[in-house]
Amino acid sequence: NAGVMQNPRHLVRRRGQEARLRCSPMKGHSHVYWYRQLPEEGLKFMVYLQKENIIDESGMPKERFSAEFPKEGPSILRIQQVVRGDSAAYFCASSHYGLAGNNEQFFGPGTRLTVL
Amino acid sequence: GQQLNQSPQSMFIQEGEDVSMNCTSSSIFNTWLWYKQDPGEGPVLLIALYKAGELTSNGRLTAQFGITRKDSFLNISASIPSDVGIYFCAGRLADSGNTGKLIFGQGTTLQVKP
Repeated sequence: NAGVMQNPRHLVRRRGQEARLRCSPMKGHSHVYWYRQLPEEGLKFMVYLQKENIIDESGMPKERFSAEFPKEGPSILRIQQVVRGDSAAYFCASSHYGLAGNNEQFFGPGTRLTVL
Repeated sequence: GQQLNQSPQSMFIQEGEDVSMNCTSSSIFNTWLWYKQDPGEGPVLLIALYKAGELTSNGRLTAQFGITRKDSFLNISASIPSDVGIYFCAGRLADSGNTGKLIFGQGTTLQVKP
C-alpha cells in the first residue's frame, strides 16, 4: 500500500502531556499538509510543509503546536501540554506538486487524539 | 472569513435514486475537489476540477466547476448502499498565494435505503 501513512491511529493523553503524531507521505510526494477535524465538522487547515520548510502555518494555534518535515523521515505534528480541547481527529495529506500543476491532496487514515 | 457553504447537510434517499449536492462561496476558487469520508477513515478523493466550466465524471459520479468559479456541484446517479458516507467539497482560493491549503465545506451526510 503506497498511500499516506499515519501513526498512531489512536492516541490517548492526559492533560499536560505531549502528543506526537507522525505522517509518511505517498512515495514521491514532497508536500505535506495537516488538518484537524472536530466531530460533525469539516476539516480545518493547520499547516503546509515541504521538505525541511514550513510554507504556510496560518492555521496553527500560536502556542503549544509545532510541525516539522525533516529531510529524512516522516512529518511530525507535535502538541505540547495537551488540553481537552485538543481532542480531535488529525489528518495528514500529501501531494506531488505544490502550486505548479495539479496538486490533488491524498489523505491518510488520521490519528484520533483523546485528551483525558 | 473564507467559507464554503455545502448543502444539503444530510440526505436520506432510496437506492437507485440520483443525488445532487453543491458548494457555494463568495470567494473565487481555482481548484475544486470532492472527497468521501467513511466513519473512522480519512477522506478519499473522488473528483478534481481545475478549470471554470469543467465537467468531469468518475463512474456514476459527475462534478462541475462553476463558471463564476464560486461554486461546484456533485451528482451521484443510481445510488447504491455503498454510497453511504459523508461527502466534502474542498477548494483552493484563487488568491491563496504560495499555499496549497484547502478550504473544506461542512459535509453532506448521505444515507441510502436499500
